Amino acid sequence: AQKITQTQPGMFVQEKEAVTLDCTYDTSDPSYGLFWYKQPSSGEMIFLIYQGSYDQQNATEGRYSLNFQKARKSANLVISASQLGDSAMYFCAMGPTGTASKLTFGTGTRLQVTL
Amino acid sequence: DVKVTQSSRYLVKRTGEKVFLECVQDMDHENMFWYRQDPGLGLRLIYFSYDVKMKEKGDIPEGYSVSREKKERFSLILESASTNQTSMYLCAIHSLRGRNTEAFFGQGTRLTVV
Repeated sequence: AQKITQTQPGMFVQEKEAVTLDCTYDTSDPSYGLFWYKQPSSGEMIFLIYQGSYDQQNATEGRYSLNFQKARKSANLVISASQLGDSAMYFCAMGPTGTASKLTFGTGTRLQVTL
Repeated sequence: DVKVTQSSRYLVKRTGEKVFLECVQDMDHENMFWYRQDPGLGLRLIYFSYDVKMKEKGDIPEGYSVSREKKERFSLILESASTNQTSMYLCAIHSLRGRNTEAFFGQGTRLTVV
């Protein structure tokens, strides 16, 4: 079974600052993928970034980067230069490799960007 | 771009009513999923389907059923709605991105059962 833990129910960050959202996971699968999704107040889930467990380098997508530490089983999301529009709920998720199968989600972190 | 459309953004239903939540996708994907989202609990999988007329239970199937008569449409059914089914419901399709799963979500349906 796979498990995702997000220990920060809420975070505040000032505009233009960087913020790290924590995610730890547990799995017995030798190969897996890790994802981050953003959910604004409107409700839609927006894909941000993903990391394969076998990838040598940490994933980056614009202002988003994933700090992947396999030995620690952590996959933290780093948002650089925060913007007001980054205020949202953020979910970490993981899924199996090689099949478009189930994803396991964390409980989410609500990020509030302040002036 | 993949498009997943849920028929309603907001629904209010009475206890005991039969409720249908519809989800349509336009990308010919086999795998479709229904989640519910509750504060502090994240997203939990209710049911999923890998093909037409196929369905599998997720983590919290009690009180729900599903129907997949056509590949593009996956319906979630609350046979007799109860107040504890008040929640946000999200439909998703899953596809492979490289070697890993990626989920594309509908806009969500906020269901209130009174």
